[in-house]
Amino acid sequence: GNSVTQMEGPVTLSEEAFLTINCTYTATGYPSLFWYVQYPGEGLQLLLKATKADDKGSNKGFEATYRKETTSFHLEKGSVQVSDSAVYFCALSDSRTNAGKSTFGDGTTLTVKP
Amino acid sequence: EAQVTQNPRYLITVTGKKLTVTCSQNMNHEYMSWYRQDPGLGLRQIYYSMNVEVTDKGDVPEGYKVSRKEKRNFPLILESPSPNQTSLYFCASSPASQGWGNIQYFGAGTRLSVL
Repeated sequence: GNSVTQMEGPVTLSEEAFLTINCTYTATGYPSLFWYVQYPGEGLQLLLKATKADDKGSNKGFEATYRKETTSFHLEKGSVQVSDSAVYFCALSDSRTNAGKSTFGDGTTLTVKP
Repeated sequence: EAQVTQNPRYLITVTGKKLTVTCSQNMNHEYMSWYRQDPGLGLRQIYYSMNVEVTDKGDVPEGYKVSRKEKRNFPLILESPSPNQTSLYFCASSPASQGWGNIQYFGAGTRLSVL
């Protein structure tokens, strides 16, 4: 079956530091990849997505590139802010084989200190 | 406002007492899912539905039931709750029309404690 592995957290950074959260996946088909963010006390919301190899998703200064050769979708941001403190989830779904089925990673908690 | 609404937001119950968590979306989405979130285990899919009267098991369906009689509603039923079902539950919906890469829209969550 499909699986998603995220780097273990929590991650603590100072404001304006560079952020990388690693995500690797295993999938039998051709999945679409997502990063979702969960702010304290809220549900998840989409941060960015990529639907095919070499696609780059970007939003709010965050970026991730779909790397089929390394089965990875690492999240990066050049300069984090305190407001970026949240839990980040990497996820995949394969619309070609089963659009309803989704697999999420364990989540990585990011804390940004001023 | 486009949203996914879950009720209740918080629930404390006792072992064996049947309960239902409701989920409703106003975006006319075809797909709906239920997840549970547990520390160290991330988000795990319980059940999903790809349309009215079409439901399928996710990764952790044991102890749960769902139904999809109307497009907008997707209730989660715990017939005989047990303490290991204490968790944070999320409902999500997504449109079928996005082709590859359907974005899911999540409710605010229901925190359930089973004593």
